[in-house]
Amino acid sequence: EAGVTQFPSHSVIEKGQTVTLRCDPISGHDNLYWYRRVMGKEIKFLLHFVKESKQDESGMPNNRFLAERTGGTYSTLKVQPAELEDSGVYFCASSQAGIEAFFGQGTRLTVV
Amino acid sequence: ELKVEQNPLFLSMQEGKNYTIYCNYSTTSDRLYWYRQDPGKSLESLFVLLSNGAVKQEGRLMASLDTKARLSTLHITAAVHDLSATYFCAVDNPLVFGKGTRLSVIA
Repeated sequence: EAGVTQFPSHSVIEKGQTVTLRCDPISGHDNLYWYRRVMGKEIKFLLHFVKESKQDESGMPNNRFLAERTGGTYSTLKVQPAELEDSGVYFCASSQAGIEAFFGQGTRLTVV
Repeated sequence: ELKVEQNPLFLSMQEGKNYTIYCNYSTTSDRLYWYRQDPGKSLESLFVLLSNGAVKQEGRLMASLDTKARLSTLHITAAVHDLSATYFCAVDNPLVFGKGTRLSVIA
């Protein structure tokens, strides 16, 4: 069974540009989460989808971040325009019953 | 606001030795998780602890949960080099993480 996959694994963009991160959850997992780890800080929750609906987006830092999950399958997280402080590792996780979450390998975003 | 504190944040230990990583959390929660992360890799689920007094063991790692004390421990027995990684505890859903403990096992 394929795990959670994220694309790209690394992205380097200039300040002001747009970047879109993608997450493919484990097949059949209704719950999909985005987390972020900024350098030297804790891993922080961004938002939670149940199927295609946003269940909780309390962790989204500001309106430059837009997450979607069309059809309840894969999810994208777009940052537009990117700022320096957006640099970090973005993790996606999925779970079936909301108990145990399985993580992807993360996307390392560097904004220069 | 739920806060999760791990200590130590850095741990260098000799092969064959035992040690414990501590995870304290600030408010009541009914679930606690331990994850392992190798550099550049995903977070690998180690243990899910769902009740007071829960104890789980896998190889040289054993995790326990005391919900009254809001404390979980990850005990390492007779450490080997392969255990070198960063270990995170996390609480609740969505997960609130500790800062992680970077473990280095040296010969």
